[in-house]
Amino acid sequence: GNSVTQMEGPVTLSEEAFLTINCTYTATGYPSLFWYVQYPGEGLQLLLKATKADDKGSNKGFEATYRKETTSFHLEKGSVQVSDSAVYFCALSPSSNTGKLIFGQGTTLQVKP
Amino acid sequence: DVKVTQSSRYLVKRTGEKVFLECVQDMDHENMFWYRQDPGLGLRLIYFSYDVKMKEKGDIPEGYSVSREKKERFSLILESASTNQTSMYLCASSLGTSGTDTQYFGPGTRLTVL
Repeated sequence: GNSVTQMEGPVTLSEEAFLTINCTYTATGYPSLFWYVQYPGEGLQLLLKATKADDKGSNKGFEATYRKETTSFHLEKGSVQVSDSAVYFCALSPSSNTGKLIFGQGTTLQVKP
Repeated sequence: DVKVTQSSRYLVKRTGEKVFLECVQDMDHENMFWYRQDPGLGLRLIYFSYDVKMKEKGDIPEGYSVSREKKERFSLILESASTNQTSMYLCASSLGTSGTDTQYFGPGTRLTVL
């Protein structure tokens, strides 16, 4: 079946450090891949997405590349800020086009000044 | 901007009570979703609807039902609340059923069942 696995958190970094949050998936066909972010006290919002192999999604300095050969969609940012502290969710939409999303367990990021 | 609103941010109910969680979206989206969010488990889909009066079970529908009488409103119903339904409930909507469509989320309702 379809599933998403994220690295365990919490991840604690100092401001301006490099961030990587690992995400791997299992799916049949060609899913679309997403990163959503949840700031404290809020619902989720889309951070970036990629809809086919080798696509790179990017937004607010974050980026992730859809790697079909390694079934991965790792999130990276070159220099994190305190305001990036949040929970990050990797998700996939199966190629069956139902509009459903399957989420990973979420990774909490805490950035310290 | 798309806005998804949920009727309550916090709710406390007793075991056995019937609980209604309401969600409204203002962008004429076709699809609406109910998830529950639990630590270490991420978001799990309870039910979704791709049209008025249409509904489909998600991954964990047991103990829940839904209603969609109008396009903009999607209600989650706990027929007889139990303590294991204490959770954060998130509603979302999306334009259509394309696998590339963005889902837009409400702020969530934190439900405690005593």
